[in-house]
Amino acid sequence: DTAVSQTPKYLVTQMGNDKSIKCEQNLGHDTMYWYKQDSKKFLKIMFSYNNKELIINETVPNRFSPKSPDKAHLNLHINSLELGDSAVYFCASSHRGVYEQYFGPGTRLTVT
Amino acid sequence: AQSVSQHNHHVILSEAASLELGCNYSYGGTVNLFWYVQYPGQHLQLLLKYFSGDPLVKGIKGFEAEFIKSKFSFNLRKPSVQWSDTAEYFCAVNHGDSWGKLQFGAGTQVVVTP
Repeated sequence: DTAVSQTPKYLVTQMGNDKSIKCEQNLGHDTMYWYKQDSKKFLKIMFSYNNKELIINETVPNRFSPKSPDKAHLNLHINSLELGDSAVYFCASSHRGVYEQYFGPGTRLTVT
Repeated sequence: AQSVSQHNHHVILSEAASLELGCNYSYGGTVNLFWYVQYPGQHLQLLLKYFSGDPLVKGIKGFEAEFIKSKFSFNLRKPSVQWSDTAEYFCAVNHGDSWGKLQFGAGTQVVVTP
């Protein structure tokens, strides 16, 4: 059984478009995260939700909007895509607090 | 600003060689420390973690790490690597944030040659 799943796995789109990435976890966790991994493999947290409530919001352009319909799902919507948004986006989940985070397989976004 | 440094960006070694990857952080307060591994084309997986207690922690696949508080370090070690250890290794630090926020190092690409 997949613990943390993301769709799509690959996303190629043009500048200016709007796209969404979906994440689902079946681990019973109440906290979910979005990370961005750039071309140099550097991982940086973007957002975190706990029980559908936004708890971490790093310095991210407001073109990025996370949405958590329930504690098992955390989606990422990106408006007006730019070349610099090209990266691998990872979703992760954990229990509330400092616990192991379980990562999804990543979504490779390419903006042309 | 708080930082997490991994000094080696690329490491190439032969099978059976010993591996040590350095990780240093800058935060002087309570920290929780992690090492994650990313095998080619796969997602990140936890190798080991340190919260408190014995500063020498053992993880999966024969890896261990030592927390040295005075040196702000959490170095990863494996006495004898295998070809299957070829991967990207990330050190991550939680700076006492109760929500589990992690700050990652830049990663170390390890290539093990047969």
